[in-house]
Amino acid sequence: EAQVTQNPRYLITVTGKKLTVTCSQNMNHEYMSWYRQDPGLGLRQIYYSMNVEVTDKGDVPEGYKVSRKEKRNFPLILESPSPNQTSLYFCASSRPGLFETQYFGPGTRLLVL
Amino acid sequence: RKEVEQDPGPFNVPEGATVAFNCTYSNSASQSFFWYRQDCRKEPKLLMSVYSSGNEDGRFTAQLNRASQYISLLIRDSKLSDSATYLCVVTEDNDMRFGAGTRLTVKP
Repeated sequence: EAQVTQNPRYLITVTGKKLTVTCSQNMNHEYMSWYRQDPGLGLRQIYYSMNVEVTDKGDVPEGYKVSRKEKRNFPLILESPSPNQTSLYFCASSRPGLFETQYFGPGTRLLVL
Repeated sequence: RKEVEQDPGPFNVPEGATVAFNCTYSNSASQSFFWYRQDCRKEPKLLMSVYSSGNEDGRFTAQLNRASQYISLLIRDSKLSDSATYLCVVTEDNDMRFGAGTRLTVKP
């Protein structure tokens, strides 16, 4: 079954405590991305990756890091989380330029106190 | 001005009703257009692509008006299971731009 998995699904943490949200896909997709979703704002892209070792900033990259050492994995790293990073996060993957093939992960709900 | 704008709703309609959503986008160079469906607290899922010639999938019809820079989604014979938030999505090169969504509730 084609899928994108994210872990953890829910996380409560405190300001400044580094955390990583993992994302993995089993479709051999080259393109992966991270979004955050906030009420009234829609999904905003944080970072994306066109392939292994190729990453680039999206619209709201401040406070986030990513890495793409393997094709299937694209972790999102918050080095020093702050309350304004409280949000719902989605990982997605697709064939490059073929957005009809895009799958989203189930989401990670993060609360930073 | 937001790049992709939608009426947030909510739209509350009875079963069997026809309902239409519009979405406007600001970048005339946008290339691809989609409607996604998102159920509460879940991931968005592709509902349908939107082509210049319009397209229909069962009870759902999507249309694109490039001159006026808007896309529409029409749902006929609404079902309770259509209750969700509908996201308008526009692409520019490798970027996807999402609207904030229109919430639909179909009531018995």
